[in-house]
Parts: sequence; structure tokens; C-alpha cells
Amino acid sequence: SQTIHQWPATLVQPVGSPLSLECTVEGTSNPNLYWYRQAAGRGLQLLFYSVGIGQISSEVPQNLSASRPQDRQFILSSKKLLLSDSGFYLCAWTSGGNTIYFGEGSWLTVV
Amino acid sequence: KQEVTQIPAALSVPEGENLVLNCSFTDSAIYNLQWFRQDPGKGLTSLLLIQSSQREQTSGRLNASLDKSSGRSTLYIAASQPGDSATYLCAVSGVQGAQKLVFGQGTRLTINP
Repeated sequence: SQTIHQWPATLVQPVGSPLSLECTVEGTSNPNLYWYRQAAGRGLQLLFYSVGIGQISSEVPQNLSASRPQDRQFILSSKKLLLSDSGFYLCAWTSGGNTIYFGEGSWLTVV
Repeated sequence: KQEVTQIPAALSVPEGENLVLNCSFTDSAIYNLQWFRQDPGKGLTSLLLIQSSQREQTSGRLNASLDKSSGRSTLYIAASQPGDSATYLCAVSGVQGAQKLVFGQGTRLTINP
């Protein structure tokens, strides 16, 4: 069966520090991968999606970047965090069909 | 630009009641609409998916309808239970393939025993 792992689950980082959130999917190949963010008082917003290794599409201009170094690995990064980067980050995947599967999420607090 | 609105933002009802959650979207050119459940501090679980050509989908005590022309969807929950307490999110996708979902802000549902 397919599973999705996302880590770390919780992160408290100072302003200006770097960020790396990692997501891996098991049990499927060539998935479409997504990073969403849920900020306080706002709905879920698509940040990045990838349809293959090295292929990244950015949906909103921001302080973050994404990379897909392997087929089932998706990484969300920042060189210097801002207070506004705080939120709940969710990785997700789809494969062929319409059903989308979400990870358990990563809570990021920038202080 | 697609916008999704969910009403009400919060709902509290006694156990056993039937209830309806509402979702509206501004651009009727959607590929599909999905309803999700989110428990506090957790990821999302897909409940129902309605393709643009469909009018409704059912799963157990849940029924979701779609009126694409008017930009509306409803999620009907029958015989509500305390375990149904969660935030329910509606999302639409405008393209086939990559699930570039646009989400509403959700309805926080509390079922009181």
C-alpha cells in the first residue's frame, strides 16, 4: 500500500534561519507531488507541485523553494525564514487518478 | 481567479441531527470538486470526489451534491455522531491531471453528545 511520510512534524525556527521540510512517498512510482500551506485564518494554498524529477512549478511568489531530487522525494526549503512563513505545511501526492493523499503535516513557527 | 467560500465557518449541533455544509465557487469551469475532513493538527482525508459531469456522490452517511452551473456544492451528513466533529474542507480543481486544488477555509463542525 502507498504511504506518505513528512518530517519534521514540528519546527520552531528563528527569523533568518534556513528551512528544510522533507516528504517521501512509498508504494507508488512517478507520483505528482505537492506542497500546500495552511496559514492561520486562511485556507490551504498550493505552493509548489511537481510532475517529475527536477520539474517544479511554483504557484505563488514567496520566500520558499522546492526540489525533487528523487522520484518519490519532495523537499521544501528556504534560505532565510520570515515571520510570515509560519504555518502548517502539507505534502500530498496523486498518481494517475484524481484522489489526492496528504501527509500528516509539519507545523512551522518562525520566531 | 477561482475563489471558494464555505458557509458557515463553524457549526455546533446535537448528536443525531442531519446537517448540511455549503460550498460555493466563482468559476464554474472546474474539473472536479472534493470534500475533505481535517482533524485538529492533522492532515486531510478525502471524503468524496465529484467529477464535473456528476451531480452527486455518496459514501455511508455522507452525500455530496454538485451544481456546477450555479457554482455550488453541499455536503449532507446524516445522523451525526460526535466522531464527525472535525473541520470539513471543500476544494475544486480546474485542470485534469495535476491536482491544483483551490480550497475554501472550511467549516468547523462540533457534534455535541
